[in-house]
Amino acid sequence: NAGVTQTPKFQVLKTGQSMTLQCAQDMNHNSMYWYRQDPGMGLRLIYYSASEGTTDKGEVPNGYNVSRLNKREFSLRLESAAPSQTSVYFCATSTGSFGYTFGSGTRLTVV
Amino acid sequence: GQQLNQSPQSMFIQEGEDVSMNCTSSSIFNTWLWYKQDPGEGPVLLIALYKAGELTSNGRLTAQFGITRKDSFLNISASIPSDVGIYFCAVLNYGGSQGNLIFGKGTKLSVKP
Repeated sequence: NAGVTQTPKFQVLKTGQSMTLQCAQDMNHNSMYWYRQDPGMGLRLIYYSASEGTTDKGEVPNGYNVSRLNKREFSLRLESAAPSQTSVYFCATSTGSFGYTFGSGTRLTVV
Repeated sequence: GQQLNQSPQSMFIQEGEDVSMNCTSSSIFNTWLWYKQDPGEGPVLLIALYKAGELTSNGRLTAQFGITRKDSFLNISASIPSDVGIYFCAVLNYGGSQGNLIFGKGTKLSVKP
């Protein structure tokens, strides 16, 4: 099925550990996004990539890095996880002119 | 950055009741979107609005794009238990640190059978 696939679905990290969240899409969309969702805060943009080879900071980029590996894949890396990064992370894609298609999320807990 | 004010924050209703929620902005936007997020899933697009004053339906859902282009509302008629979730309004806004899509903070809907 066409869509956005995120891995892993759940993760628990200790403070200071690193990890990479993976996102892959088979919709042939140019633009990809990483959001975090916290209770009462809605969805906040971390980083986005308008096309292969480009990435830009969003509203809350501190503590994160991204890689747009190819047109299909956009990964989000936490170099040194902190409890404040406990959140649900969503990857999304778009054609740039319409609504977004979201993955089902990665639930990350940092202890 | 730009902000969308979405209300109410949460609603607890009885099955069969109608629901209304709205979203306002201090700026003009030319495209308004409504998403629903089921528990444990990502948001899914429900309705897209492209023209000021436009009224669009999708089954029991009806959304309107305000004539001033600064607001939108979503109505759900005859609610059922599977309507439970978080409803987000969003606007397309190219550029800026918020990216191309700005979200409201959501309305959490609970439906009692």
